[in-house]
Amino acid sequence: KAGVTQTPRYLIKTRGQQVTLSCSPISGHRSVSWYQQTPGQGLQFLFEYFSETQRNKGNFPGRFSGRQFSNSRSEMNVSTLELGDSALYLCASSEGLGTEAFFGQGTRLTVV
Amino acid sequence: GQSLEQPSEVTAVEGAIVQINCTYQTSGFYGLSWYQQHDGGAPTFLSYNGLDGLEETGRFSSFLSRSDSYGYLLLQELQMKDSASYFCALCGYSTLTFGKGTMLLVSP
Repeated sequence: KAGVTQTPRYLIKTRGQQVTLSCSPISGHRSVSWYQQTPGQGLQFLFEYFSETQRNKGNFPGRFSGRQFSNSRSEMNVSTLELGDSALYLCASSEGLGTEAFFGQGTRLTVV
Repeated sequence: GQSLEQPSEVTAVEGAIVQINCTYQTSGFYGLSWYQQHDGGAPTFLSYNGLDGLEETGRFSSFLSRSDSYGYLLLQELQMKDSASYFCALCGYSTLTFGKGTMLLVSP
């Protein structure tokens, strides 16, 4: 079974631009979550989607948004990029409630 | 809100046993999970405690005490490849709230 796939792996953007990151979950997994990882703040929850519905959202500004498609693939978008948005963005999929989440390798976003 | 505290760094030698503690504050959760992350890699699931007590998976064991708001991860027969960051996480309805992580350094 293929793991969680995130694209692209690396991205360099300029302040003010927007970016879209993609995540393909493990086949059969309907829950997709997004996390931001930085050295200072650690792993922080962005949002979670289940069957195309956002079930939960973390404490991030509205510039961060996401969606999930009918095939469970998910995208997250960050608009008006700031230097502080530089981070590793991780996607995780699971069968649903609680327990084990499977993470992708992440997208390393650098904002210059 | 929720918060978790774990030591920032732990060092040990190959073959030894190490315990990584995690204390938390929360108004409710389903369980406590542990994840391992090697430098540059993705976090990988190690263990989950939904109930109080000890869960054993090979060389790794995890413990939860809800009354003490405390859990730990126990790693036995340490190997060099165990050098990594370890995160405890509170499992909510559709979220994981992570601690800041403990970097484990295993020396020969």
